[in-house]
Amino acid sequence: DAGVIQSPRHEVTEMGQEVTLRCKPISGHNSLFWYRQTMMRGLELLIYFNNNVPIDDSGMPEDRFSAKMPNASFSTLKIQPSEPRDSAVYFCASSLQTGGPLLTDTQYFGPGTRLTVL
Amino acid sequence: AQSVTQLDSHVSVSEGTPVLLRCNYSSSYSPSLFWYVQHPNKGLQLLLKYTSAATLVKGINGFEAEFKKSETSFHLTKPSAHMSDAAEYFCVVSSSGNTPLVFGKGTRLSVIA
Repeated sequence: DAGVIQSPRHEVTEMGQEVTLRCKPISGHNSLFWYRQTMMRGLELLIYFNNNVPIDDSGMPEDRFSAKMPNASFSTLKIQPSEPRDSAVYFCASSLQTGGPLLTDTQYFGPGTRLTVL
Repeated sequence: AQSVTQLDSHVSVSEGTPVLLRCNYSSSYSPSLFWYVQHPNKGLQLLLKYTSAATLVKGINGFEAEFKKSETSFHLTKPSAHMSDAAEYFCVVSSSGNTPLVFGKGTRLSVIA
């Protein structure tokens, strides 16, 4: 089992540039989550999908952030334009909905993408 | 509204001694509660979860947690710490399981040989 795959693992970019983070969930999982982790704010849920459909994007900080899930095996989180305050570790997680409340299903996290915006 | 408070930002224990990581929650509804562990430069891994079944929940690696509604607590314990337990631990709450997870600030556990 390959687990959740994220790429790149590290990204350094300059302010104003577009950044695209990628995630491949565990095969067969039908829910996908994007989180951001910073020292100041801890872990925050940005957006999550169920069956490729965005369910809740209330955690997306600004219009500069967007996320897509074109199919069950791929999702992207895009920041355009990027700013230094976007520097953080971004995690993707996936889960298999087991019939109960969606958010009680065990989430499996990827290794994260460490983003640095200069 | 829901929130979670991890009472200690850092806990240090000697190898072989008990571990106690404290967590208090606030939830308008019957909560689901989780403990996740994060090793350096790794993603988060679920240790255990409570979803209104038995109040004493056993997880992986010898960890367990007890849901105490009267105290709004969900403390994580382990009888004997191992060096490999050194990591960051997050207490997480979701009200009724249909609201996004809210993570605590984390507790860094150090294990001294």
